[in-house]
Order: sequence, then C-alpha cells, then structure tokens
Amino acid sequence: GAGVSQTPSNKVTEKGKYVELRCDPISGHTALYWYRQSLGQGPEFLIYFQGTGAADDSGLPNDRFFAVRPEGSVSTLKIQRTERGDSAVYLCASSQAGVTYNEQFFGPGTRLTVL
Amino acid sequence: AQSVTQLGSHVSVSEGALVLLRCNYSSSVPPYLFWYVQYPNQGLQLLLKYTSAATLVKGINGFEAEFKKSETSFHLTKPSAHMSDAAEYFCAVRAFGNEKLTFGTGTRLTIIP
Repeated sequence: GAGVSQTPSNKVTEKGKYVELRCDPISGHTALYWYRQSLGQGPEFLIYFQGTGAADDSGLPNDRFFAVRPEGSVSTLKIQRTERGDSAVYLCASSQAGVTYNEQFFGPGTRLTVL
Repeated sequence: AQSVTQLGSHVSVSEGALVLLRCNYSSSVPPYLFWYVQYPNQGLQLLLKYTSAATLVKGINGFEAEFKKSETSFHLTKPSAHMSDAAEYFCAVRAFGNEKLTFGTGTRLTIIP
C-alpha cells in the first residue's frame, strides 16, 4: 500500500515569506507527527496529532510555526515570516494509535530552503 | 526527559567485517528504543525496536541490537557488512506514555570494498 507522502519535495522561499508543507499519512493511521531535521543532526520532534487535535505541540520552536489536521487525515505545517534558520528537511510520520511502541512510518520529507 | 548519544558520527568498515554502531540512552522511565536507517534522499526506515519483551532484538537486513540496562546501551551490530549497508543510522528513544521519538545525531556508515 501507499506510504506517507509529502509535498512539495523541495521548497525554496525568501526570508519573510509564508510557506505550507503538506503530509498525507498512511490510510487508517490516526496518529501523525512532524519532525525537523537540520543538516548533520537527527530529527527533532515538532508536534503530534491524535485524530484532529494536537496532543503534544511542545516541539514547535515559536509562534511562527503552526500545524493543522482538520479532518484527521492530511496535515499541513505552516511557517510564517520564514527565517534562514528554518532551512531544514521537514519530516512527517504516521502510526496506528494505542500502543506507544507502534512503529512510526516516515515520509521522504520536504527540503525547505530559506534564502 | 530522555536522550540518546551516538558515539562516532562516521564509521568505516570493510565489506564482510563486523558492523558496530554505538548508542547510549538516558531515560527516567523504562524506555522503548529504536534504530532507524536513512538512505540518501529517502525517508527513515525502521530497522528494529526494543519493547521490553526480549533484550536481544533482531531486525531487518541481518541487523540486531542488545538492550543492556546496566550499561544503558543499545548498540547495533551486523556480523558481515555489505555494500548496501552504507547509509545513515539513527538511534531513538521513546518513553512509555510519551508519543514523541528523541533521536541521536546519527552515524554515517561507509563500507570499504
């Protein structure tokens, strides 16, 4: 079956602009996660959705970052007033809910470059 | 809070030699531990996971890892390296009742022909 998909695969924007990154999880997965991977680093947690609600947004770096999942499936990560430090690969993952050690399946990521 | 430390950002081994990638964890509660592999321009793929059922965990592609509570370690091994094993490997920890994964900084594995 289809895995987690993310669009666009690459996004180049200018400092100060607004961007949206999209994630399509595996069908039937109720849990969805966003991570950010900077160059030479491991992924860092941003936010976790259970269904439509954000169950844990403790990893969002500041109020320029926001994510939604209005129908409990597709999610959009929104970044306002982008800064050069936001440049990174943004990873989305999904899993079946209910068991903490359930595998998180990752998408290929969106590479964001802020000029 | 939980964290992982991966010793060695780069590891090179000869084809056919033993692969050993090190991971030490810190967790205030019993952890769940994971190893992920990332090939160039691809997403993270789960190699194996420790969920307290057995301390020696076998994964895909011939990899295995042993959970050692006394050493707070979860090192990844493979008896004989193959060229296709060249990739970046990440150790991750997840605390019981907590949904987020905390990753190490990764180890890039190079296989020498």
